[in-house]
Amino acid sequence: GAGVSQSPSNKVTEKGKDVELRCDPISGHTALYWYRQSLGQGLEFLIYFQGNSAPDKSGLPSDRFSAERTGGSVSTLTIQRTQQEDSAVYLCASSLIEREMRNEQFFGPGTRLTVL
Amino acid sequence: QKEVEQNSGPLSVPEGAIASLNCTYSDRGSQSFFWYRQYSGKSPELIMFIYSNGDKEDGRFTAQLNKASQYVSLLIRDSQPSDSATYLCAAKGGSSASKIIFGSGTRLSIRP
Repeated sequence: GAGVSQSPSNKVTEKGKDVELRCDPISGHTALYWYRQSLGQGLEFLIYFQGNSAPDKSGLPSDRFSAERTGGSVSTLTIQRTQQEDSAVYLCASSLIEREMRNEQFFGPGTRLTVL
Repeated sequence: QKEVEQNSGPLSVPEGAIASLNCTYSDRGSQSFFWYRQYSGKSPELIMFIYSNGDKEDGRFTAQLNKASQYVSLLIRDSQPSDSATYLCAAKGGSSASKIIFGSGTRLSIRP
């Protein structure tokens, strides 16, 4: 079946512009995560959605970052007034068994964002 | 102090030997732990998860958890060149009940 998809795969933008990154989770997965990975670094948690609950936004680095998840499925991560330090790979992951220990996450291919 | 810590490596292991990857976590309330493998330029993929103290084996992989010492490890037996990748340790639960916190990863290189 289809995995997690993300678009665009690559995005080059100028400093100060806004960007939108999209994530299509696996159908039926109730949990959705956004992470950021800078070159050679680990995954930095950004935001987490679970069903209809209020999202956990504790990882968003500034108020320039926001995310929404419409209809419990597709999610959009928006970065306003982009800065060069926002350049990274943005990864989305979804999972089905959220309330249990396992919580296996399936990752999308990521969006590589470059801010010039 | 990082919530999940790993030695960045690189860890170089000869082919056929056992590779041992280690991870410590700071939140004593963390309940479940994961090892992901990430090839260069690719997304992470789950290798093992563990939530009970002791060992859990799956093929050539063994995950070990010691909650008293807040320590998680991954052993790879009969290491193959295809095991060369970055291995990410992650923890879930505790004060950050739902989100999964990742370490920065250990680069493993298997030399033929």
